[in-house]
Amino acid sequence: GAVVSQHPSWVICKSGTSVKIECRSLDFQATTMFWYRQFPKQSLMLMATSNEGSKATYEQGVEKDKFLINHASLTLSTLTVTSAHPEDSSFYICSLQRTSGSWEQFFGPGTRLTVL
Amino acid sequence: DQQVKQNSPSLSVQEGRISILNCDYTNSMFDYFLWYKKYPAEGPTFLISISSIKDKNEDGRFTVFLNKSAKHLSLHIVPSQPGDSAVYFCAPISSGSARQLTFGSGTQLTVLP
Repeated sequence: GAVVSQHPSWVICKSGTSVKIECRSLDFQATTMFWYRQFPKQSLMLMATSNEGSKATYEQGVEKDKFLINHASLTLSTLTVTSAHPEDSSFYICSLQRTSGSWEQFFGPGTRLTVL
Repeated sequence: DQQVKQNSPSLSVQEGRISILNCDYTNSMFDYFLWYKKYPAEGPTFLISISSIKDKNEDGRFTVFLNKSAKHLSLHIVPSQPGDSAVYFCAPISSGSARQLTFGSGTQLTVLP
C-alpha cells in the first residue's frame, strides 16, 4: 500500500490563529487526496477532495474560506484552518486513493488539533 | 440521512471465537465496499474489500460477505485475537466519478483474552 505522512501529528493553538496541516504521499503520486475530520466518538466525515493543480471540491457544510486546501504537487496537499475556534478542535486525516483496481484509500496517521 | 449504518457501536468477543461485524446501506449506487480498522489517534488502515459482483471475499482470518438484495454486508474475523481490538468502519464507494468513501459510524471491537 501507499505510505502517507501528516505533519504535525498534534497541534495546540490559540483561538483566532491559523494552522497548516501537511499531507504527503511518500511513495505514490496522487492526483487526488481527501481530507476528513473526526470528532470524538463519531465517524470520519469527508471535508473536501483535493485535486492536484486545481481547486478543491468541498462537501456541503464545509466552509472553503475557512478550510483552505492547496494540492501543489502530486505528493503534497495542505489544509489550512484559518482563524481557528475551539469548535474546530478535531482529528484531521488525509488520504490518497488509487485510481484503478481496488479503489483503496490510504490514510495518513492524522493530526490532532486543539484550539484553546 | 445515513447511507451507511453500523448498528452495533460495540462488540465484545472472547479470544479465539468469531467476531461478526455488520453493516447496512441504502445507496444502490455503492459498487465497492471496504472495511477499515482504526486505533485511537491513528488513521484508518485498510483491511479487506469486496466488489458488488461478488458475495464473498476471504483474506486470512478475515472474510467479508455481501448480500446485495438485502443491502447488507458483514465482516467475519476468526479466530479473533486481542490485537484485533479496534474500531471497524464499513466504507462503501459509489459508482460515481468521485469514487468517494462513505464511512459508517463504526463498531468498537474488543477481543477479551
